[in-house]
Amino acid sequence: DAKTTQPPSMDCAEGRAANLPCNHSTISGNEYVYWYRQIHSQGPQYIIHGLKNNETNEMASLIITEDRKSSTLILPHATLRDTAVYYCIVSNTGKLIFGQGTTLQVKP
Amino acid sequence: DTAVSQTPKYLVTQMGNDKSIKCEQNLGHDTMYWYKQDSKKFLKIMFSYNNKELIINETVPNRFSPKSPDKAHLNLHINSLELGDSAVYFCASSQPLHRGTEAFFGQGTRLTVV
Repeated sequence: DAKTTQPPSMDCAEGRAANLPCNHSTISGNEYVYWYRQIHSQGPQYIIHGLKNNETNEMASLIITEDRKSSTLILPHATLRDTAVYYCIVSNTGKLIFGQGTTLQVKP
Repeated sequence: DTAVSQTPKYLVTQMGNDKSIKCEQNLGHDTMYWYKQDSKKFLKIMFSYNNKELIINETVPNRFSPKSPDKAHLNLHINSLELGDSAVYFCASSQPLHRGTEAFFGQGTRLTVV
């Protein structure tokens, strides 16, 4: 599975959009980009995933560059409850390999 | 209804004991997993089962033995517990991930070995 690189931490003001970047320059053609988050010590929570096209759901948007070497997770209106560790994972196998993720702190 | 449920939520036990953690999913998924999150917060996959068959075993000591009585259950039995086994263990389930599907995680079992 390809490795990903994420900034260790980011801050965001409440109500503003949070843009979380991820680099996956060694991604292969059939690997999906997944985003999960872990709030405090809860179980990881699925956010969104995509292969080539941009995706949007009720939680977030995923923007994947045309060369697929990087992506951005967008939380359009961050709330305090979005404070969590966000993991970007690329995979096409039967397992998710979690890196260190980005700790997003949403501030009032 | 909780999609993926684990029991117990907390487990404190002495070194050398044998303990089990149970996991059940009601999502009709074919694949289940065990992950371990250590004190440094790294999440690492331990095992994966697909339709009751072991498909991933990530160099886990053989003191750890998963058992899947049916595809809705994946239990984790740990023999001769050691201090280093203290961690949070997460169960998860999904349809096969190579199809681009989401995994659902349980709330975790915090194991403390004293």
